[in-house]
Amino acid sequence: DAKTTQPPSMDCAEGRAANLPCNHSTISGNEYVYWYRQIHSQGPQYIIHGLKNNETNEMASLIITEDRKSSTLILPHATLRDTAVYYCIVSSDNYGQNFVFGPGTRLSVLP
Amino acid sequence: SQTIHQWPATLVQPVGSPLSLECTVEGTSNPNLYWYRQAAGRGLQLLFYSVGIGQISSEVPQNLSASRPQDRQFILSSKKLLLSDSGFYLCAWSESYLRFFGPGTRLTVL
Repeated sequence: DAKTTQPPSMDCAEGRAANLPCNHSTISGNEYVYWYRQIHSQGPQYIIHGLKNNETNEMASLIITEDRKSSTLILPHATLRDTAVYYCIVSSDNYGQNFVFGPGTRLSVLP
Repeated sequence: SQTIHQWPATLVQPVGSPLSLECTVEGTSNPNLYWYRQAAGRGLQLLFYSVGIGQISSEVPQNLSASRPQDRQFILSSKKLLLSDSGFYLCAWSESYLRFFGPGTRLTVL
């Protein structure tokens, strides 16, 4: 089972920031937080990951709370192409069953 | 750079027929390889993973099998397809802690 909880759906206006929350209250000290997204009928795409510190790359920012029990993925200026299902995953396992995709959040970016 | 290929992109098969889906990775050596299935409107379910040639681990009991005959080739098979085998099949490879997914094969069993 997934170790994360995400809202099933969210809307965001085009050009505005999209803030996607994720709860992972049982996260262990050696587990990373990963974010992927899946555009309809495509394979999931890696976005960003982090352990303790906030992270930023060309796609998004990841804010992890100090107690690491929750995180937020921020898309600073959402576009219509950002409409997708976003998955938050916590894992320390590079191999098998601990890298679990839950149902994710369906983000709809509206014009 | 690394590239992952899957084929075919779509497939329609009758119940009871065999299945063979192929995945190949370019630009890396000795990758960990994975097969996932996504049923309509559902999340991704890990089916198999492999850490090397001939080494296959199965995550769930099922009608499917996997093989890794070469370092960068991963094959998903079935001798007799069931209706419940319909879905979106994704191959992935990993390096360090990240996983990268292929374009997927949409299988419809009729």
